[in-house]
Amino acid sequence: DTEVTQTPKHLVMGMTNKKSLKCEQHMGHRAMYWYKQKAKKPPELMFVYSYEKLSINESVPSRFSPECPNSSLLNLHLHALQPEDSALYLCASSQDGEGVGNQPQHFGDGTRLSIL
Amino acid sequence: QQPVQSPQAVILREGEDAVINCSSSKALYSVHWYRQKHGEAPVFLMILLKGGEQKGHDKISASFNEKKQQSSLYLTASQLSYSGTYFCGTEVTDSWGKFQFGAGTQVVVTP
Repeated sequence: DTEVTQTPKHLVMGMTNKKSLKCEQHMGHRAMYWYKQKAKKPPELMFVYSYEKLSINESVPSRFSPECPNSSLLNLHLHALQPEDSALYLCASSQDGEGVGNQPQHFGDGTRLSIL
Repeated sequence: QQPVQSPQAVILREGEDAVINCSSSKALYSVHWYRQKHGEAPVFLMILLKGGEQKGHDKISASFNEKKQQSSLYLTASQLSYSGTYFCGTEVTDSWGKFQFGAGTQVVVTP
């Protein structure tokens, strides 16, 4: 069991659908992250939220829209995705919102997304 | 720029040792090490910050050579539970937040 909870665990959607991924942590962490991981590849950083503000956007297409409603919750809104967006989407959090590199990241189990 | 990990894969017998390397062409602020088992989330092992420190986690330790911008992860007296893919992750000093994982090293420990 991980302390970062992601829902749903699996999601299948069509290219015209709108869906959202959800991530929750109750460790009091102030930085939260979204990663994309393709099979047999490393996680790729997509977004970083620091103190509930978007601090890093790694040139992610606008069909991915992150949202951080509060310090415990992170959403990823999906719209008009492409088949190549099929992947495991991982959420992570770290304690200190000031730095990305100086804190351990705690990962959720991920949402496995398939685009038809 | 993505850090370079080597080797790509290693097969060990229980009790054997292994070293995984992670290097960067840019000055590093930090190096993280994570292990990911198949179908599971990556699990944090340790962080090394610039300063050349060495850390340990059970029989897994790591070092950071700031001059070479290189980190090494040492698996000592390997156990079956050490199997998985090991990723280093780095943040470079001139790009805050540009955290990137290396391609990973698959470790298989056999009885």
